[in-house]
Amino acid sequence: DVKVTQSSRYLVKRTGEKVFLECVQDMDHENMFWYRQDPGLGLRLIYFSYDVKMKEKGDIPEGYSVSREKKERFSLILESASTNQTSMYLCASSYFRWSDYGYTFGSGTRLTVV
Amino acid sequence: AQSVTQPDIHITVSEGASLELRCNYSYGATPYLFWYVQSPGQGLQLLLKYFSGDTLVQGIKGFEAEFKRSQSSFNLRKPSVHWSDAAEYFCAVGSDMRFGAGTRLTVKP
Repeated sequence: DVKVTQSSRYLVKRTGEKVFLECVQDMDHENMFWYRQDPGLGLRLIYFSYDVKMKEKGDIPEGYSVSREKKERFSLILESASTNQTSMYLCASSYFRWSDYGYTFGSGTRLTVV
Repeated sequence: AQSVTQPDIHITVSEGASLELRCNYSYGATPYLFWYVQSPGQGLQLLLKYFSGDTLVQGIKGFEAEFKRSQSSFNLRKPSVHWSDAAEYFCAVGSDMRFGAGTRLTVKP
């Protein structure tokens, strides 16, 4: 089975800190995605990448950046964490460009910014 | 623009009863449609998907969904719910995977 691993299940950070969320997939998938999940809002796409060093903005990129230096790893960066970025963050990957076969998700990182 | 609406935020059913979760979409062409399930503390797992062809799609865990173009709907069904089906369910549409807000399912003993 494809595995998507997010390095931390829970994180607590202070306002203004630079935060790195790491995601690694083990099946040579081309495409990787970062979502945030909030109650009543479902999943909202932050950024995605369809190749190494490539990135595209999703629906809510403000306050975030990403890095994809290697195919298997996709990092989400909060440049200066704020309390409104407290959320569940989900990483996903897929082989096909247009997600015809759905995505494989990680278990999520619950980030609290205090 | 693509969008997905799940009208029911929370549904409670008794174990053994049938289940239908609603999903309505807005999309310009024939959509790719997906249902995912998220158990507490877990990531999302793909239940089933529709691309074309037979409008009744079978998925894992005994779930099925029916695509109705005339109603712009893709409702998820299960004939007999088990306690382990308690989870949050998400409908998603399109090539760039737009998600609905989710429906939380509670199963009564």
